Amino acid sequence: QSALTQPPSVSAAPGHQVTISCSGSSSNLGAHYVSWYQQLPGTAPKLLIYEDNKRPSGIPDRFSGSRSGTSATLGITGLQTGDEADYYCGTWDDSLRAGVFGGGTTLTVL
Amino acid sequence: QVQLVESGGGVVQPGRSLRLSCAVSGFNFNNYEIHWVRQAPGKGLEWLAITSYGRGFEHYADSVKGRFAISRDNSKNTVYLQMSSLTAADTALYYCAREPPRSDCRLDYWGQGTLVTVSS
Repeated sequence: QSALTQPPSVSAAPGHQVTISCSGSSSNLGAHYVSWYQQLPGTAPKLLIYEDNKRPSGIPDRFSGSRSGTSATLGITGLQTGDEADYYCGTWDDSLRAGVFGGGTTLTVL
Repeated sequence: QVQLVESGGGVVQPGRSLRLSCAVSGFNFNNYEIHWVRQAPGKGLEWLAITSYGRGFEHYADSVKGRFAISRDNSKNTVYLQMSSLTAADTALYYCAREPPRSDCRLDYWGQGTLVTVSS
């Protein structure tokens, strides 16, 4: 069981928007920034969002993030078929003294 | 450019050991933490271990503590993951990833992974 909880799957139509939630605890999301990763089929994960809401160079502003208390949210607007991927939240956990990931959310663009 | 390249994966029998390598280039190795993360077939990401040269620590996931050991050779810009007492549950694609210092486990660059299959 993951320290961070994500919905297993979300779906939406092209052009629409979707949000993916990530729920944790006071020792992880309650104390540390969240990062989000996108993993396209057959590829390594790629950093999508860091420090809750910042985008690395090259990541379009269709991707956004937020964190409040012990929860975080990834938002994607203007969905494209190329956004179909697995999305993971991650951070550090002070109690475990370990990195932690959510179980991952599969995005389907119908 | 920043690169992390894993190697050392393969097929290994249950109970045996294996050492993975992560060769890095394109950045000052001493200034970054390096993590190992694995992904079992069809499953999610599982964090395994971190080595921090600057802060002088290693930490491990409970699932591998006592069986896996992370180390780094700064002269070779390489991080290792020594794995022992392997079981079928350790079958996975193993990634190394870079974290800028004190960035709450922000993994900004990843390697392509090396596949470990534990099977008799």
